[in-house]
Amino acid sequence: EAQVTQNPRYLITVTGKKLTVTCSQNMNHEYMSWYRQDPGLGLRQIYYSMNVEVTDKGDVPEGYKVSRKEKRNFPLILESPSPNQTSLYFCASTQGPLGEQYFGPGTRLTVT
Amino acid sequence: SQKIEQNSEALNIQEGKTATLTCNYTNYSPAYLQWYRQDPGRGPVFLLLIRENEKEKRKERLKVTFDTTLKQSLFHITASQPADSATYLCAPQNVGGSYIPTFGRGTSLIVHP
Repeated sequence: EAQVTQNPRYLITVTGKKLTVTCSQNMNHEYMSWYRQDPGLGLRQIYYSMNVEVTDKGDVPEGYKVSRKEKRNFPLILESPSPNQTSLYFCASTQGPLGEQYFGPGTRLTVT
Repeated sequence: SQKIEQNSEALNIQEGKTATLTCNYTNYSPAYLQWYRQDPGRGPVFLLLIRENEKEKRKERLKVTFDTTLKQSLFHITASQPADSATYLCAPQNVGGSYIPTFGRGTSLIVHP
């Protein structure tokens, strides 16, 4: 089954404790991206990647890092999480630049 | 600056009626526009993509129009059902630069039985 998976689905952590949210897709897609979704603000793009070792900032990259060492994986790293990073995070992938995006199930992160 | 506007107020309609959702954009020249459905706490799901040279696109009970002069897309669901209740997001895409579409905040549709 074609899918995007994210782990963990739920995470409660404390300020400053580094964490990684994993994202994996099994569709051999070249393009992957991370979004955060907050009430009233909609989906905002954090980072995206157009291929292995090619990443670029989206609209709200501050406080986040990503890496793309393999085509299928695109982890999101929060080196020093802060409470304003409490949000619902989605990973997405797409085959081509103008194709439909496949979203993961989301990771609900709470930073206290 | 670029802006995407979707009705922030929920649209309430009766089952069987046609729901019409609006997406207006400014300072964009999108070559494509996508629509997604999102259920609470879940990731968006792709519904339709329409190109700038297409006036209208249909898929089963869904219809999308794209008016580049008005800078507007309309999304219609005919014979609506309670199962259509969800938030609908529009996402214009420019050609060139970042390929990633920018999403509107979405409009919540509630279909009453």
